[in-house]
Amino acid sequence: DGGITQSPKYLFRKEGQNVTLSCEQNLNHDAMYWYRQDPGQGLRLIYYSQIVNDFQKGDIAEGYSVSREKKESFPLTVTSAQKNPTAFYLCASSPKSGRNYGYTFGSGTRLTVV
Amino acid sequence: DAKTTQPPSMDCAEGRAANLPCNHSTISGNEYVYWYRQIHSQGPQYIIHGLKNNETNEMASLIITEDRKSSTLILPHATLRDTAVYYCIVSPRGSTLGRLYFGRGTQLTVWP
Repeated sequence: DGGITQSPKYLFRKEGQNVTLSCEQNLNHDAMYWYRQDPGQGLRLIYYSQIVNDFQKGDIAEGYSVSREKKESFPLTVTSAQKNPTAFYLCASSPKSGRNYGYTFGSGTRLTVV
Repeated sequence: DAKTTQPPSMDCAEGRAANLPCNHSTISGNEYVYWYRQIHSQGPQYIIHGLKNNETNEMASLIITEDRKSSTLILPHATLRDTAVYYCIVSPRGSTLGRLYFGRGTQLTVWP
């Protein structure tokens, strides 16, 4: 079955450590996105990529980094510079940037800083 | 930038129709209305979208007013599994950014 796989589902990190969240899709989608969700809030865009080897900052990119070396993969690194990293992180993809009804989301990674 | 207004919560009896309203009074001519839903601790799921005509698919119906300033998502026979947060989003279909603004949405609770 085609879809998006995020791993791990739960992640615990000590303060000051970097951590990388995995996102893999086998839908052959061109565009991929990372969102952050805090309790009771909507989704906020962190980074997005429309094509391999290219990505753009979203609304809250500070303290995060991404790479897009392969079409299927869009890992997100939460760095120690992110002041409040505890949140629910969602990865999404779409056939091409701009096709807003074609978004497919992963099941999310819940990151907790301890 | 919130372009839509939704009630924070609604409830509905199982088997009855759930009608979820959305106001988007500043919608532009090239902006579509999209609906997604998010079941607790999962990723959002696309439901339906439309420009100015009413739309229907296997999940729901979308009714857009003639002036396009508001719309209603209709789940014709709500089930317990329809309990979720429903997001109404307006965005240009051809946006080069492909970015969707997910506000707080409406928490729909379907009760038995």
